[in-house]
Amino acid sequence: GAVVSQHPSWVICKSGTSVKIECRSLDFQATTMFWYRQFPKQSLMLMATSNEGSKATYEQGVEKDKFLINHASLTLSTLTVTSAHPEDSSFYICSATLSQETQYFGPGTRLLVL
Amino acid sequence: ILNVEQSPQSLHVQEGDSTNFTCSFPSSNFYALHWYRWETAKSPEALFVMTLNGDEKKKGRISATLNTKEGYSYLYIKGSQPEDSATYLCAFIRAGNNRKLIWGLGTSLAVNP
Repeated sequence: GAVVSQHPSWVICKSGTSVKIECRSLDFQATTMFWYRQFPKQSLMLMATSNEGSKATYEQGVEKDKFLINHASLTLSTLTVTSAHPEDSSFYICSATLSQETQYFGPGTRLLVL
Repeated sequence: ILNVEQSPQSLHVQEGDSTNFTCSFPSSNFYALHWYRWETAKSPEALFVMTLNGDEKKKGRISATLNTKEGYSYLYIKGSQPEDSATYLCAFIRAGNNRKLIWGLGTSLAVNP
């Protein structure tokens, strides 16, 4: 139980294009979803916390207009990297939680912006 | 700045060896400590959520202890198997910080058959 899928698993795009990443909780309804980013040799860094039906809460230094988060249902959250640039190339991973404890993670999306 | 430190950074052991690694975190305003296991190309898998000083949790051959007063947790693997090869991550939650996980860099374990 508590499976989270993420799509796509990897994406290569041209600079200036937008990329949408989907995060789905497959067998449970997630009250909260989290989006993380991990650069090489660095730890997972929280980008934003997303609650269904409300605006996401972004961490300091994360541009909300660049990283659009939509959490339209209890099983789906999307992250759109708008006008992606090479410095946005990173590993993006989502998690979903039922309660205040364990977070269940997707497998991540590797983004390469050329 | 909240720092979560994990050591060692990487570890190579032989099948059957027992091993342990450390997670250090700020001892003030403790709320919870999470341990995750992350195999390459898979999703991080939750191992333990630890909240009480002196907690000891066990899952098969893997166990963890928690010392909130001095700010460290140990993860032990008894009789390592090749399938234990993964990166083991710990993450700290500070009280009042809305469940935000602060992650360590992980310990990469390779178990040689």
